[in-house]
Amino acid sequence: DGGITQSPKYLFRKEGQNVTLSCEQNLNHDAMYWYRQDPGQGLRLIYYSQIVNDFQKGDIAEGYSVSREKKESFPLTVTSAQKNPTAFYLCASSMGAVGPGTQYFGPGTRLLVL
Amino acid sequence: QQQVKQSPQSLIVQKGGISIINCAYENTAFDYFPWYQQFPGKGPALLIAIRPDVSEKKEGRFTISFNKSAKQFSLHIMDSQPGDSATYFCAASNSNSGYALNFGKGTSLLVTP
Repeated sequence: DGGITQSPKYLFRKEGQNVTLSCEQNLNHDAMYWYRQDPGQGLRLIYYSQIVNDFQKGDIAEGYSVSREKKESFPLTVTSAQKNPTAFYLCASSMGAVGPGTQYFGPGTRLLVL
Repeated sequence: QQQVKQSPQSLIVQKGGISIINCAYENTAFDYFPWYQQFPGKGPALLIAIRPDVSEKKEGRFTISFNKSAKQFSLHIMDSQPGDSATYFCAASNSNSGYALNFGKGTSLLVTP
């Protein structure tokens, strides 16, 4: 099956702890994105990557970090600097940033703070 | 700063009725306007999208109307069904940010039997 997988489905973070959310796609897409969803707030862009080894900050990048070492993988680390990390995190991918294309979303990871 | 404003926040429509959701944007550089549907606990899925060179696009029961001069676009769901009950998001993007999506805050649609 082709698609985007995110793991884990639920993640618990202790205060001061860094946690990493996984995002993998087998669609051979060049572009990948991370969004954060809070109730009543829509989705907000954290980071995006148009090509391997390159990524750009989105609107709410503070307290987050990413890497793009492989085309199919775009992990997101929520650092201890992110003071309000509780949210639903969504990863997406699209064919490329040359032109607009359908962004396909993964099933999401819900992050909760202990 | 919300670049795409969406209304209403919630909507209740009877089965068979028309659901209408509106969005407005300020950035004239936006050149791609998709609508996404999201069910609880799931990721959003693309419903329909439009480019600014056309004023209307229809796919089945779903129609986007686009008014470039007013910087507004809307989603019309004809013959609304209970299975359409979900949250709908409009979005806008352009090449300046790798076509990353700027989302509205969403509309929770409930279609009653």
